[in-house]
Amino acid sequence: GDSVTQMEGPVTLSEEAFLTINCTYTATGYPSLFWYVQYPGEGLQLLLKATKADDKGSNKGFEATYRKETTSFHLEKGSVQVSDSAVYFCALESGGGADGLTFGKGTHLIIQP
Amino acid sequence: KAGVTQTPRYLIKTRGQQVTLSCSPISGHRSVSWYQQTPGQGLQFLFEYFSETQRNKGNFPGRFSGRQFSNSRSEMNVSTLELGDSALYLCASSIDHGTTRELFFGEGSRLTVL
Repeated sequence: GDSVTQMEGPVTLSEEAFLTINCTYTATGYPSLFWYVQYPGEGLQLLLKATKADDKGSNKGFEATYRKETTSFHLEKGSVQVSDSAVYFCALESGGGADGLTFGKGTHLIIQP
Repeated sequence: KAGVTQTPRYLIKTRGQQVTLSCSPISGHRSVSWYQQTPGQGLQFLFEYFSETQRNKGNFPGRFSGRQFSNSRSEMNVSTLELGDSALYLCASSIDHGTTRELFFGEGSRLTVL
C-alpha cells in the first residue's frame, strides 16, 4: 500500500536558519502530494501541494518540489522564524482519494530565537 | 468564518462501552472525512462522507461507523471500545470530494479508553 516516510524529530534550529524536512513516498500511479502544518493548539492546515511531477508548491516562504524520479517531496524554507515552530506532516493522495490521505508521522520543528 | 468544530474535545470511556463523536464542517462544505491519530500509527483514514453517503472507507473494523446528516454535520461511532481505540479523532471538511482538494481539520476529540 501507499506510505510516506519523514524524519520525526524534534528538529531544533535557530531563527533565520535554512530548513529542510525530508519526505519520501511509495505509491502506485501518480499521487498528489501535500504538506500540512499543525501549529500549537490548532487543527492541521494545508501548507502547500503539488499534483504532478516537477510541480513546485509554495506558501509562506516554504517550497517543495514533486520529484517523481526520487519519489520525494522535501519541504524547504530559506530563513525560519520562531512562528514556524509547529508539527509538519507530509501526505499523499492516490487512487481518486479512495483511501483518503496517507500521512507521514509528522516532524516536530522547534525554532529558537 | 467558523472552522471545523468537533465535540466533545475530551472524553473518557471504559472497555466495552460505545462512543459517539460529532463534527460540524465549515459552512458550505459538503464532504467530511475522519482520521484516527495515535503515537504508534500516526494519522490513519477512517472514512469519508459526501452528501450523506459514505464514499470511502479505510481499513478499520466494523465497530467504527459514521453517518452524515442533510446539513453536512457528521457523527462517528465506535462500539465495544477497546484499549487500542484510545486516540485523537480528527474530522476534516472540504467543499467537494476528489483528489487535490484542501482539507480543513478540526482540533480533534481525544478519547481515552480505560
